[in-house]
Amino acid sequence: SQTIHQWPATLVQPVGSPLSLECTVEGTSNPNLYWYRQAAGRGLQLLFYSVGIGQISSEVPQNLSASRPQDRQFILSSKKLLLSDSGFYLCAWSVGDTAGGYTFGSGTRLTVV
Amino acid sequence: SQQGEEDPQALSIQEGENATMNCSYKTSINNLQWYRQNSGRGLVHLILIRSNEREKHSGRLRVTLDTSKKSSSLLITASRAADTASYFCATGPYNQGGKLIFGQGTELSVKP
Repeated sequence: SQTIHQWPATLVQPVGSPLSLECTVEGTSNPNLYWYRQAAGRGLQLLFYSVGIGQISSEVPQNLSASRPQDRQFILSSKKLLLSDSGFYLCAWSVGDTAGGYTFGSGTRLTVV
Repeated sequence: SQQGEEDPQALSIQEGENATMNCSYKTSINNLQWYRQNSGRGLVHLILIRSNEREKHSGRLRVTLDTSKKSSSLLITASRAADTASYFCATGPYNQGGKLIFGQGTELSVKP
């Protein structure tokens, strides 16, 4: 069966520290992968998406970056966190076009202090 | 960029009543989807309606799509306390592959 793993569930990091969030997918090949951020009480903002290994599209200019070192692995990183980076980060995958919908991970609650 | 806008932002009803949420969008789309999010959790896909469809049903869910008005509605019939969650519409913009643009969501509270 197809599953998506996202960790950690919660993270508290000081301003200026680095960040690495990982997302892995099982049970499917060549998925489209996405990173979204959700501010409290708000909708989802698309940050990055990837249609293949090494192929990353950035939707919002910021101090975050994404990488896809393997087919089913998607990593969100930052060299120096800002207070404004706090939020709920969600990884998702889909296959082909959006017809099958997205499958979301359980999310990472990041608080930058 | 945000494409979908849900209305109302919050909705409170009694168990057994119907809940209707609306979504408007701006550009041409391939499809429109509705998702549910329980507090602090990931989103769960509920239903998808394609741009050439006008209505779709799944259990207690009914979705309509009016492409001329660029709007959609989600109806939950005979609501239950367990339906309490945030509901988001998401649009797949035409000719943009697998991208989905989400709205701000409607927070539904169903009181027992």
